[in-house]
Amino acid sequence: EAGVAQSPRYKIIEKRQSVAFWCNPISGHATLYWYQQILGQGPKLLIQFQNNGVVDDSQLPKDRFSAERLKGVDSTLKIQPAKLEDSAVYLCASSPGGGGTDTQYFGPGTRLTVL
Amino acid sequence: AQSVTQLGSHVSVSEGALVLLRCNYSSSVPPYLFWYVQYPNQGLQLLLKYTSAATLVKGINGFEAEFKKSETSFHLTKPSAHMSDAAEYFCAVTRISGYSTLTFGKGTMLLVSP
Repeated sequence: EAGVAQSPRYKIIEKRQSVAFWCNPISGHATLYWYQQILGQGPKLLIQFQNNGVVDDSQLPKDRFSAERLKGVDSTLKIQPAKLEDSAVYLCASSPGGGGTDTQYFGPGTRLTVL
Repeated sequence: AQSVTQLGSHVSVSEGALVLLRCNYSSSVPPYLFWYVQYPNQGLQLLLKYTSAATLVKGINGFEAEFKKSETSFHLTKPSAHMSDAAEYFCAVTRISGYSTLTFGKGTMLLVSP
C-alpha cells in the first residue's frame, strides 16, 4: 500500500512570509498527526485529527500556525507569518484509529528553512 | 505528564558488536512504549512496541527491547550491529487509555564503524 505522502520536501522562505505544507495519509486511516522536529530533538506533536475533528492542538502556536483536514482525508498545515525558530522538519503521520496501541506511519517530512 | 529520557545523544559501535540504546520513561499511568528509527532524509519507521502483552518485545531487523517496570526502562538491543543500522533512534511513550499522543525522546544517533 502507498505510504504517507508529503509535499513539498524542501522549502526556503524569508521570515514573515507564509508557507503551507500538504499531507495525504494512508488510505482509510482515521487519525492524522502533524509533528515539528527541530534539529537535534525528537518530534513534537503540533496537532492531531480524528477524521474531521481536532483531538489535540495544545502545542500548536495558534497565533501563527493553522491546520485543516479536508473531508477527513488530506491535510494542510500553514504558518503565517514565519519566524526564524520555525526552521524544522514538519512530519505528517497517520494511523488506522487513535488508540494507544496504534502504530503511526510517518511521511518523509518537509524541511523548512526560514532565513 | 509522560516523558522519556534517552541516555547518550551518540553511540558508536563496531560492526558485529552489541548495540545497546538506553531509554527511561516517566509516567503516572501504565504506558505503552515504542522505538522508532529514522534514516537520513526519511520519516520515522516503527521498530517495535510494548503494549503490555509481553515484557520482551522483538522487532524488525533483529532488534528487541525489554520493559522493566522496576527500573522504568525500555532499552533497545541488537546482538550484532550491521553497517545498515546506522541511523537515529527514538524512544516514545503514550498512555494506554484515550488517544495515542506520542511523546518522543531526543533521539540517539547510532554510528557503526567497519
